Amino acid sequence: EAAVTQSPRNKVTVTGGNVTLSCRQTNSHNYMYWYRQDTGHGLRLIHYSYGAGNLQIGDVPDGYKATRTTQEDFFLLLELASPSQTSLYFCASSMGLYAEQFFGPGTRLTVL
Amino acid sequence: SQWGEENLQALSIQEGEDVTMNCSYKTYTTVVHWYRQDSGRGPALIILIRSNEREKRSGRLRATLDTSSQSSSLSITAAQCEDTAVYFCATDASSGSWQLIFGSGTQLTVMP
Repeated sequence: EAAVTQSPRNKVTVTGGNVTLSCRQTNSHNYMYWYRQDTGHGLRLIHYSYGAGNLQIGDVPDGYKATRTTQEDFFLLLELASPSQTSLYFCASSMGLYAEQFFGPGTRLTVL
Repeated sequence: SQWGEENLQALSIQEGEDVTMNCSYKTYTTVVHWYRQDSGRGPALIILIRSNEREKRSGRLRATLDTSSQSSSLSITAAQCEDTAVYFCATDASSGSWQLIFGSGTQLTVMP
């Protein structure tokens, strides 16, 4: 079965802090995505990638960097975290752009 | 109905009732995904319906797609308590940079 894991599951940092969220998929999928989910709202795409070394900008990229180091690993970087980035972050993977997306369990980030 | 930045919708029904959730989208789409998200977990795909399909069924679930009205629906027949979850529709949107656009979601509560 498809597997997407995320770490850490919970993270608390202070304004201006440096945070890295990690995602690994063992599905051999080409595409990986980072979303944020805020209370009462749907998921919003931050960045996505279709392979190692590739990065595409999503709908809400400001304040976020991402890097896809291998087919399996996709990282989300917040270099100067702000309270507005307090959210639930999901990573997902898919074989193709229009294909089913498999989501990880999420990382809850709090920026004080 | 759910779309875009609208707040999360809420539906509450009794066990055994039928329920329909609606989703509208703004641009031509090739595929509509329906995901369910249980509390504390990432979304999981339940039905994917393509633009050349008008209806798709999976057990007690039925999705429809009307490309002329740019809308989709998800129906659950004889709802059970375990159907309690948030249900999202998502459609592909291509405006320079591809992305899957998620609706704001419908919180369905099925009461015994």
